[in-house]
Amino acid sequence: EDQVTQSPEALRLQEGESSSLNCSYTVSGLRGLFWYRQDPGKGPEFLFTLYSAGEEKEKERLKATLTKKESFLHITAPKPEDSATYLCAAEGSYKLIFGSGTRLLVRP
Amino acid sequence: DTGVSQDPRHKITKRGQNVTFRCDPISEHNRLYWYRQTLGQGPEFLTYFQNEAQLEKSRLLSDRFSAERPKGSFSTLEIQRTEQGDSAMYLCASSSGLAHTQYFGPGTRLTVL
Repeated sequence: EDQVTQSPEALRLQEGESSSLNCSYTVSGLRGLFWYRQDPGKGPEFLFTLYSAGEEKEKERLKATLTKKESFLHITAPKPEDSATYLCAAEGSYKLIFGSGTRLLVRP
Repeated sequence: DTGVSQDPRHKITKRGQNVTFRCDPISEHNRLYWYRQTLGQGPEFLTYFQNEAQLEKSRLLSDRFSAERPKGSFSTLEIQRTEQGDSAMYLCASSSGLAHTQYFGPGTRLTVL
């Protein structure tokens, strides 16, 4: 059965304290691995798409990487405005299979 | 604004009533998806359209749920005889034929009393 698992469920960081979020997946015929940011009461906001193992993408303080079984979202020197839920999703046959997300809180 | 739009943003209804939600995708996108999200969970796939054809429905989708996409443009999701367990955020997303990235709308928050 296709499955996506994210850890940790919640993460509290001090401003400037770098860390990583993990996403492990079991999806047959992976077509893409996606990262989204979601603020309370809003729809997911697209961050990155990764297609093959070894691929990396960066945007401001965020960097996403992909292996054959996992993806990581690295957050470098986070700011309070980075506080949100970060969702990982794997695409099998067109539909996205989401993990439960990591709730990130960055304190000033 | 050329993003995905959804209407209404919030809906409160009584158990047993029917509700209908609308989604307008990004204009050039031919694929449209519906997801449902409950508190503390990631979105769950409900159904998917390519143009006007409904190509896949989740086994989670009971017979009370129906979705349409007439003329391959906007889509509607109807829930008949709502139950308290239907309370959730209903999300719509769209993508183009060549790219895999799905872009989400703001969602419709349904509360069934």
